[in-house]
Amino acid sequence: GENVEQHPSTLSVQEGDSAVIKCTYSDSASNYFPWYKQELGKRPQLIIDIRSNVGEKKDQRIAVTLNKTAKHFSLHITETQPEDSAVYFCAASLDSSYKLIFGSGTRLLVRP
Amino acid sequence: NAGVTQTPKFQVLKTGQSMTLQCAQDMNHEYMSWYRQDPGMGLRLIHYSVGAGITDQGEVPNGYNVSRSTTEDFPLRLLSAAPSQTSVYFCASKWAPANTGELFFGEGSRLTVL
Repeated sequence: GENVEQHPSTLSVQEGDSAVIKCTYSDSASNYFPWYKQELGKRPQLIIDIRSNVGEKKDQRIAVTLNKTAKHFSLHITETQPEDSAVYFCAASLDSSYKLIFGSGTRLLVRP
Repeated sequence: NAGVTQTPKFQVLKTGQSMTLQCAQDMNHEYMSWYRQDPGMGLRLIHYSVGAGITDQGEVPNGYNVSRSTTEDFPLRLLSAAPSQTSVYFCASKWAPANTGELFFGEGSRLTVL
């Protein structure tokens, strides 16, 4: 089955700096890659997603890139703010299955 | 709309006891799923369902049962609780039939097994 690895497990940046979180997936048939943000004590919520026919997608300060050949995708957050502090999860899904498999999460701390 | 509603929010069990975590959604979503969240291990899929009467196993199904008799409800049953099942459990649903689209999570249920 699909396996998703996520790095780093923790990331600390200065406010205003950029943050990058990377994920790799095992099944080359995966074609949908969302990112979820979970604030402390809250439920995970979708922040951005990308499909395999697209190489990059942006939404204001966040962007996701996908390299299908290398089977990895990344989340980029620019101009980080304290409210970006949270746990971020990447995930992958196959077209033939509705299962969404998550990575182990990255705890991002933005220092003011 | 209430979205995805989970009950109870907190539960303490003794080893060997059984219980059911309830999950209901009012968004007419065909797809429903259960995840457990443990420190350093992310969200792991326990069971999922693509419609009433259809269920399938996820990554960590052992020790858990599910059923899907209606579109709205997807209860998770622990048959004989073990300390290893101490975790935060999330129910989540989304519109089907595509594998894409936002997964809506409940608020979570924190379970402690002594």
